[in-house]
Amino acid sequence: DAGITQSPRYKITETGRQVTLMCHQTWSHSYMFWYRQDLGHGLRLIYYSAAADITDKGEVPDGYVVSRSKTENFPLTLESATRSQTSVYFCASSERGNYGYTFGSGTRLTVV
Amino acid sequence: GENVEQHPSTLSVQEGDSAVIKCTYSDSASNYFPWYKQELGKRPQLIIDIRSNVGEKKDQRIAVTLNKTAKHFSLHITETQPEDSAVYFCAAGLSQAGTALIFGKGTTLSVSS
Repeated sequence: DAGITQSPRYKITETGRQVTLMCHQTWSHSYMFWYRQDLGHGLRLIYYSAAADITDKGEVPDGYVVSRSKTENFPLTLESATRSQTSVYFCASSERGNYGYTFGSGTRLTVV
Repeated sequence: GENVEQHPSTLSVQEGDSAVIKCTYSDSASNYFPWYKQELGKRPQLIIDIRSNVGEKKDQRIAVTLNKTAKHFSLHITETQPEDSAVYFCAAGLSQAGTALIFGKGTTLSVSS
């Protein structure tokens, strides 16, 4: 599972600042995903990508931007952080479609 | 789009008892149903999955059943042990290119010895 890494593990930022969460995988998996986890809401899909330069919105995309210029990287940017974006963010990858997701260790983001 | 409901939100059992978690989904086209276990402070990990052409699948003490007509699927854990204590998530999705899983809100299972 060390093949998918997220950074940073913890981040505190101020309201209105831009922050980027990084996700890197070494398997050359085609699919990558971003979820946020909040108490009472489970895991909610933010964005996903089926391949380099292909991204799609998930359930809660507002306030987030993604890019995928290289297969192995899938950064998530909060353009202007809000307190409601305080959450634990998980990146995941999958070799093909909805099969065998492997999650990263997560980034705990606090917006103050 | 897909919507997944999961029940119960919390479940407490005695060691050795069985535990059942149920999920319903809305999109009749969904054909892939995995279950993930998340221990405190850790990442979710896949424990078992089932595809729509199968009604039941077992792996040691864990089993999943699927009823496509009713659009619901369940996780069954037998002979529970304290190390089974965790949050369990069901998910549903299309087993095809260009889609992603939608998760239920999770069930916190507590197994007391």
